[in-house]
Amino acid sequence: DVKVTQSSRYLVKRTGEKVFLECVQDMDHENMFWYRQDPGLGLRLIYFSYDVKMKEKGDIPEGYSVSREKKERFSLILESASTNQTSMYLCASSKNPGAGGGELFFGEGSRLTVL
Amino acid sequence: AQSVTQPDIHITVSEGASLELRCNYSYGATPYLFWYVQSPGQGLQLLLKYFSGDTLVQGIKGFEAEFKRSQSSFNLRKPSVHWSDAAEYFCAVSGGSGGYQKVTFGTGTKLQVIP
Repeated sequence: DVKVTQSSRYLVKRTGEKVFLECVQDMDHENMFWYRQDPGLGLRLIYFSYDVKMKEKGDIPEGYSVSREKKERFSLILESASTNQTSMYLCASSKNPGAGGGELFFGEGSRLTVL
Repeated sequence: AQSVTQPDIHITVSEGASLELRCNYSYGATPYLFWYVQSPGQGLQLLLKYFSGDTLVQGIKGFEAEFKRSQSSFNLRKPSVHWSDAAEYFCAVSGGSGGYQKVTFGTGTKLQVIP
């Protein structure tokens, strides 16, 4: 089974702190994604990556950055956390549709609270 | 830009009744389309996907969806709802023919099932 592991299930941080959210997948997937999920807003794409060191902005990249130094690992960074970044963060990975993939596999989520 | 609209925020149905959840998408080429389900406190699970071919797609748990290009729709249906179907349902769209995959989700429809 595909496993997507997010390093922290719950985090509490203070305004202005730097926050790292880590995600690791074990199925050699090309694509990795970071979403935030908020009630009534669904899943909004922050960033995605289609290869090592490659990244693309999603729909709400402001205030976030990402890093993908190895194929299996995709990190989300909040340089200076703010209260409006309190949310559930979901990592996902997928194989390219052209290679028989396309389905996203999700981690369990990281609930971040910024005080 | 690609987008997904789920016009119904909440739907309530009686157990045993039929269900249809609406999804409209915007995408410039032939899309890849997905339906995911999220039970309370759980991660997202793929119900079904459409990539090409037969426009009526069968999924898990007795769900099906029909791709209608002329209406830019991908509505999810189930002939007889069970109490365990109460959950939030998300429609998603992506491309993939270009190699990498950006997946955009709708805002979700919360399904309540009454006895």
